[in-house]
Amino acid sequence: SAVISQKPSRDICQRGTSLTIQCQVDSQVTMMFWYRQQPGQSLTLIATANQGSEATYESGFVIDKFPISRPNLTFSTLTVSNMSPEDSSIYLCSVGTGPREKLFFGSGTQLSVL
Amino acid sequence: ELKVEQNPLFLSMQEGKNYTIYCNYSTTSDRLYWYRQDPGKSLESLFVLLSNGAVKQEGRLMASLDTKARLSTLHITAAVHDLSATYFCAVAGYQFYFGTGTSLTVIP
Repeated sequence: SAVISQKPSRDICQRGTSLTIQCQVDSQVTMMFWYRQQPGQSLTLIATANQGSEATYESGFVIDKFPISRPNLTFSTLTVSNMSPEDSSIYLCSVGTGPREKLFFGSGTQLSVL
Repeated sequence: ELKVEQNPLFLSMQEGKNYTIYCNYSTTSDRLYWYRQDPGKSLESLFVLLSNGAVKQEGRLMASLDTKARLSTLHITAAVHDLSATYFCAVAGYQFYFGTGTSLTVIP
């Protein structure tokens, strides 16, 4: 299993600003992901955070809006840039021990954009 | 793209009753997960089902997988209030494809 610390747990931000979310894992993991969960909705994969290289983004998500860093095998950040009210969601960090293996989730960041 | 549908989306049931949540998916997969999410919390893994006919049970919850029908079920036996949560199935393919979620409320 993996213990994931994600912060902040929640934030209220003004339109046009940016927020960086941090995800720290207690062990080295190869696979780290960022998900978005809009109010009352399911989870949507934003991107796979790759250590030492650019993140792999899913359709509908772009690096300029959601820049991701992964400097090592235990840490990643997701930035939500130039925020609008439509970005109000829960953002979840997730790790997996291998392809198609169980995902472990961080506690989430509840973001509200005014 | 693999699509995953759950039904019902909302379920209100009385304590002591039984009910089943259904998870249908659109393409072949032999690995399916069930997760639980409490309000304002993250996701907690409940079960992983690895093959056709797999059945897993934990307490009042039992999950099964029929890969030929592309169907998984989560059966709740004699529901209690503590089971109130949102339940997601997730199919492991190229990525994890999450179902729409079932919001369960157990009424005393």
